[in-house]
Amino acid sequence: GNSVTQMEGPVTLSEEAFLTINCTYTATGYPSLFWYVQYPGEGLQLLLKATKADDKGSNKGFEATYRKETTSFHLEKGSVQVSDSAVYFCAQQTGANNLFFGTGTRLTVIP
Amino acid sequence: DAEITQSPRHKITETGRQVTLACHQTWNHNNMFWYRQDLGHGLRLIHYSYGVQDTNKGEVSDGYSVSRSNTEDLPLTLESAASSQTSVYFCASSETDGALFFGPGTRLLVL
Repeated sequence: GNSVTQMEGPVTLSEEAFLTINCTYTATGYPSLFWYVQYPGEGLQLLLKATKADDKGSNKGFEATYRKETTSFHLEKGSVQVSDSAVYFCAQQTGANNLFFGTGTRLTVIP
Repeated sequence: DAEITQSPRHKITETGRQVTLACHQTWNHNNMFWYRQDLGHGLRLIHYSYGVQDTNKGEVSDGYSVSRSNTEDLPLTLESAASSQTSVYFCASSETDGALFFGPGTRLLVL
């Protein structure tokens, strides 16, 4: 069946450090893939997405590339800021319009 | 600006009571969803709707119901609240590309 596996958190980084949050998926076919971000006390917001193999989604300095050969969609940012502290969710599209979410990875960036 | 709102934002109720959580969106989206968020589980889909008069069960639908009488609203009803339904509930809407717009969430405590 469909599933999404994210790296366990929490992740703590110093400001300006490089960020990688791993995400792998299992699916039949080639689903669209998403990263969502949840800031404290808020709902999730779409961060970026990719709809087919080798697509790269990017937004706010974050990037993720759809890798069909490794079934991965790892999130990266070259230099994190304190304001990036949040919970990050990887998700894949299942069915016509549903999303299946990973369990989330909490990122804390310290000054 | 278009938005998606939820009410109430916080609710305390007793075991066995019926509770209804409201969700209202002004995006004019056909697709609407209810998720619950619990530590260690990420987001799990409760019910969803692809349009007026359409409702479907998600992964964790037992004990919950929804109705869709218009495009804007998808209320979630807990028929007889249980302590296991203590959670944070998120409503979301989308068009056909899979990208979800989330509400701010309702924090429900069942005593």
